[in-house]
Amino acid sequence: DVKVTQSSRYLVKRTGEKVFLECVQDMDHENMFWYRQDPGLGLRLIYFSYDVKMKEKGDIPEGYSVSREKKERFSLILESASTNQTSMYLCASSLDMGQGLTYEQYFGPGTRLTVT
Amino acid sequence: GENVEQHPSTLSVQEGDSAVIKCTYSDSASNYFPWYKQELGKRPQLIIDIRSNVGEKKDQRIAVTLNKTAKHFSLHITETQPEDSAVYFCAASYNNNDMRFGAGTRLTVKP
Repeated sequence: DVKVTQSSRYLVKRTGEKVFLECVQDMDHENMFWYRQDPGLGLRLIYFSYDVKMKEKGDIPEGYSVSREKKERFSLILESASTNQTSMYLCASSLDMGQGLTYEQYFGPGTRLTVT
Repeated sequence: GENVEQHPSTLSVQEGDSAVIKCTYSDSASNYFPWYKQELGKRPQLIIDIRSNVGEKKDQRIAVTLNKTAKHFSLHITETQPEDSAVYFCAASYNNNDMRFGAGTRLTVKP
């Protein structure tokens, strides 16, 4: 069974704190993604990674950074948390077999982050 | 980059009726169009997808149609049941790293 896990389901942090969100997949997928989900805005891509140590900015990278030191693990870092980063964060992974084809993304359960 | 618009934002139907959700996309190079269902408090899960070389795909009570010329695609759910109540997201992708999602449709099926 496909599995994507995230380190926390709920997290409360204070403004200015450094926050780490971790995602682990056990499917040997090449691609991993971080999204934030806000009501009425759908899923917006923050960053993605197509290989170890490789990363690309998505649509809303400001205030975030990522790290992928191992294939199965993709971390999202909020360098200095702010209240407008209160949101649901979803991690996903997908296969990449080249040839420009897109495959299903498998999502983690999400982390609801509250910044006070 | 790709921009995906989804309508309606909310949809309420009686059990047994059909439901249709529509999406438009902007990038004519997009070639993969998945639909995800997200039940309350759960992760999004793929329910059906279609590639640009196909115009329609069915899986039991759900179907997706794609009109490449008009750059729109639709999800059709027939004989709706209360367990179909969820938020549905469409998405469009040109390559594996460039998937963009619609804002979601909250479907409520009333018994």
